[in-house]
Amino acid sequence: AQSVAQPEDQVNVAEGNPLTVKCTYSVSGNPYLFWYVQYPNRGLQFLLKYITGDNLVKGSYGFEAEFNKSQTSFHLKKPSALVSDSALYFCAVRDLEYGNKLVFGAGTILRVKS
Amino acid sequence: DAGITQSPRHKVTETGTPVTLRCHQTENHRYMYWYRQDPGHGLRLIHYSYGVKDTDKGEVSDGYSVSRSKTEDFLLTLESATSSQTSVYFCAISAGTSTYEQYFGPGTRLTVT
Repeated sequence: AQSVAQPEDQVNVAEGNPLTVKCTYSVSGNPYLFWYVQYPNRGLQFLLKYITGDNLVKGSYGFEAEFNKSQTSFHLKKPSALVSDSALYFCAVRDLEYGNKLVFGAGTILRVKS
Repeated sequence: DAGITQSPRHKVTETGTPVTLRCHQTENHRYMYWYRQDPGHGLRLIHYSYGVKDTDKGEVSDGYSVSRSKTEDFLLTLESATSSQTSVYFCAISAGTSTYEQYFGPGTRLTVT
């Protein structure tokens, strides 16, 4: 079965500093990977995806993610964090079962302090 | 929220009562999903639909049923609500058969007392 792991429950970073939210995956076959963000009392918003091609994927709000096949990782990054980036972030992978459902990690809380 | 609405947005109900949550989309997407979100678990799939009257179970389907009589509406029913079904429920649609990202509704917070 496909799975993703987010090893950090929470990440703290100062505004203006670079941020990284970690994700590792376990899949059979080629991975289709996604990042989502959730603000309080809101639904999940799609940030970016990796399907194939360039290992550095650019997404919404200045976020990017680096796909690393040898390390089975798909870390989310941003060069300069904003206080408004504070939210809950989910990594997900497509599962061929269940109508191509997404399998989610447990989530990482990002706190950006001014 | 990609033209997806959910109703109600909040509900408190008693153990043993049936509850129906509604998801409505405006863009005629074929695939629709119901997930539940619980702390420490991320989101888990309850049921999904791949067309009108075509539905199937997800990984946590016990105690839930679904129906899809129109492309735009996907209903989730808790047949007899239990406290373990207290959760936030999200509906999602799949944007296409080649991209696989999903777009989510705003969620329904359900409390079973």
